[in-house]
Amino acid sequence: GESVGLHLPTLSVQEGDNSIINCAYSNSASDYFIWYKQESGKGPQFIIDIRSNMDKRQGQRVTVLLNKTVKHLSLQIAATQPGDSAVYFCAENISNRDDKIIFGKGTRLHILP
Amino acid sequence: GAGVSQSPRYKVAKRGQDVALRCDPISGHVSLFWYQQALGQGPEFLTYFQNEAQLDKSGLPSDRFFAERPEGSVSTLKIQRTQQEDSAVYLCASSQSGQGARGELFFGEGSRLTVL
Repeated sequence: GESVGLHLPTLSVQEGDNSIINCAYSNSASDYFIWYKQESGKGPQFIIDIRSNMDKRQGQRVTVLLNKTVKHLSLQIAATQPGDSAVYFCAENISNRDDKIIFGKGTRLHILP
Repeated sequence: GAGVSQSPRYKVAKRGQDVALRCDPISGHVSLFWYQQALGQGPEFLTYFQNEAQLDKSGLPSDRFFAERPEGSVSTLKIQRTQQEDSAVYLCASSQSGQGARGELFFGEGSRLTVL
């Protein structure tokens, strides 16, 4: 069925270090993936997206990697800052099927001082 | 407005009451989504509009849930005869793109519903 899940529910990283948040998806028909950041009391905020014809995409301090062979997605955040503390969700969409995004359960990222 | 605006931010309802949650999307945005987010969970899709047309309502949990967007701008999510399991944050998102989820979604801060 359609599902997007995460390996680790909580991740603690020292400020300044790099962090990697992982995500597994089960539907091989998914061809568009998005990472969202959600701070307490706020709605999710778009970070970066990637289409299935790519295996890597970079943004400002963030990189998304897609491994379609093992249906795995990761978000790398470089030189983490206190403001990176939040819950991160991966999400997927299946083209030519519907317009909805399916979210995973989320990983809480703690940045330690 | 500058972003997606939702009201009320907080709503406490007694079991059995009807509630209406409002979403003002970013001006000119074509697509509008409603999601339900339970505590500690990811957002769950409820329904999707493209302009005034409701293209997908497969996520609405029961016929007590109803959404509309009559003029293709403001949307209202109505929940009739609220139950305790309806307690959640209801998120609205809009996108400039008419491609639904494939444009960048801008989320509001949500309406937190607590049913006693």
